[in-house]
Order: sequence, then structure tokens, then C-alpha cells
Amino acid sequence: AQSVTQLDSQVPVFEEAPVELRCNYSSSVSVYLFWYVQYPNQGLQLLLKYLSGSTLVKGINGFEAEFNKSQTSFHLRKPSVHISDTAEYFCAVRARSGYSTLTFGKGTMLLVSP
Amino acid sequence: NAGVTQTPKFQVLKTGQSMTLQCAQDMNHNSMYWYRQDPGMGLRLIYYSASEGTTDKGEVPNGYNVSRLNKREFSLRLESAAPSQTSVYFCASTEGKGAQNSPLHFGNGTRLTVT
Repeated sequence: AQSVTQLDSQVPVFEEAPVELRCNYSSSVSVYLFWYVQYPNQGLQLLLKYLSGSTLVKGINGFEAEFNKSQTSFHLRKPSVHISDTAEYFCAVRARSGYSTLTFGKGTMLLVSP
Repeated sequence: NAGVTQTPKFQVLKTGQSMTLQCAQDMNHNSMYWYRQDPGMGLRLIYYSASEGTTDKGEVPNGYNVSRLNKREFSLRLESAAPSQTSVYFCASTEGKGAQNSPLHFGNGTRLTVT
């Protein structure tokens, strides 16, 4: 079984500042890692995913995430945020082999103010 | 390309009433899922269907039933609604077995209030 911990429930930041949203996971098997974003009153959409290869993954809207196997982390970063990045962000993991469902963290609300 | 379509978008029920939430996808995906989202709880899996003809319980199945009507459609039924089922419900789909790296595609949700 897998579990995901998002260390911050809310992250307030000023526009044009950098941001990091933290995600740690636990799993006894190799996993794929995902970040999803949920804008107000909408469903979730994929931001980026780590499958294999380079540990730095680039996604949509200028976001990137770094996979760190030794620390079992997959932190999300953006060098300069916009007001429009205000949303809830979910980290998720899924086992690589067999069939398993996606396990989500509890989410981090990113609040960008002018 | 509509993706994942959920109906209705909003619903208010009285305790004890029943209803069915509908979900359809047009991406030829094999696997479909029902999640509920509550403040501070993230998304919790209610039921899923790994492929047409199969359904399995997720983390929080009590009080719900599902039907995989065909490859496109996956419905969620509340037989006797309770206030604890007030939530936002999301349907999602993905390619399925052999495609563990495939992301989920989500509908826009159904906001259900049980009074």
C-alpha cells in the first residue's frame, strides 16, 4: 500500500515570489508520481508526472517537480507565481506494477495575493 | 471531445432519499472511479471499476453502490442518503490495466447536500 503526506495544508505567498509545495510518500514498491491542480469549482487536472529518467520534471504553467528517491519526496516548485495559480494542489502516487488505484495526499491550498 | 461528464452538477436531498449520480467518458478508457472530496480530507476513493464488468470497493464504500453500465458509463447510487454523505463527488477515468502510468481524467464534480 502507498501513502502520501502533503506537509502544508495552506501556503500563502505574494505574487511573483517563488513557491515550493512539499510532498512525501511511502511505498514498499516502486511508484509513479503525479501532481494535480484543482481550480475553484472544477475537477482535478494533471500538472505533471514522474515516470522514469530525469528526476526533474517540467509541467504546465511553469511548474516543475523534483523526485528524490532517498528522501521519498516529490516537491513541486514554481520560480514566480501569478494570482491565477491560486488553487488546491494534490500529490498522488500509484504502484508501477500490477493494478492499483491512485492514492492522493490531502492537498495544499496555494493562496497568491497581490 | 467532452472527456468525463457528470450529472447532475448540484443536488439537494433530504435524509433517507435516494439518487443516482451519472458519469460517462468518451475516451475509450477501461477504468473508472468515484471519489468524494471533503474539506481537509483530500480525495477518498468510494468505488472503482478496473474494467467493464468488474467493480471493487475503495476506501469509503459504505452507503454507496455502483453500476458499470457499459464501457462508457459508471453510476454511483445512494440508496438512503445521510447528512454524512454531503460532499463533492468526482468521477474519473484512465486507460486501465497495463497503463499504471496513465493519468486520471476527472469530471467537474457533483455537489451534493443532504439535509
